Amino acid sequence: KNEVEQSPQNLTAQEGEFITINCSYSVGISALHWLQQHPGGGIVSLFMLSSGKKKHGRLIATINIQEKHSSLHITASHPRDSAVYICAALRGGSNYKLTFGKGTLLTVNP
Amino acid sequence: DAGITQSPRHKVTETGTPVTLRCHQTENHRYMYWYRQDPGHGLRLIHYSYGVKDTDKGEVSDGYSVSRSKTEDFLLTLESATSSQTSVYFCAISLGLAGGPDTGELFFGEGSRLTVL
Repeated sequence: KNEVEQSPQNLTAQEGEFITINCSYSVGISALHWLQQHPGGGIVSLFMLSSGKKKHGRLIATINIQEKHSSLHITASHPRDSAVYICAALRGGSNYKLTFGKGTLLTVNP
Repeated sequence: DAGITQSPRHKVTETGTPVTLRCHQTENHRYMYWYRQDPGHGLRLIHYSYGVKDTDKGEVSDGYSVSRSKTEDFLLTLESATSSQTSVYFCAISLGLAGGPDTGELFFGEGSRLTVL
């Protein structure tokens, strides 16, 4: 079993829908990253969070340390949100050891 | 955007030849990483560095070596490339968490696509 599991693996939505991508981890962490990768493109950091919730525009990330679970929400989804979303857990006690989920491929249709 | 560049961006080489990928940063970040990304595997850590001349192995380090003689450069070398090393390689940098909860953000290079024939 992977230490970081994402669900769903693939997600198709209609423009305007509310999107939720989940990330569960089995190790102690000090922080969790959400990353975005467009097809053929580079990787961009969306959030790094260690507790609670963060919001950037239409994107919201939450984390529950006790339940070892994080979610990425996209409100009013748009075709330009189509990308792979990756969560990565920073191991507790480490400044640099990241464990990555395999990603969620999101397709938003107009 | 964080100042991080990778070179070359694309390379085709033959089995058995040496290959060096370069990651250059202008941010003075302490931590640098080399990952490879393959379908079905996601991102996997090859090597990382936590300071000049301080490096350590990641989960898929066999066949790879690294060097960091300056803060700004982190080199990844394939001593004798094999077809299994065909992949997209990403460099990333991070300040780490020592400076506070907002300083651990990751910045990625644009990727280097390596094909070993």
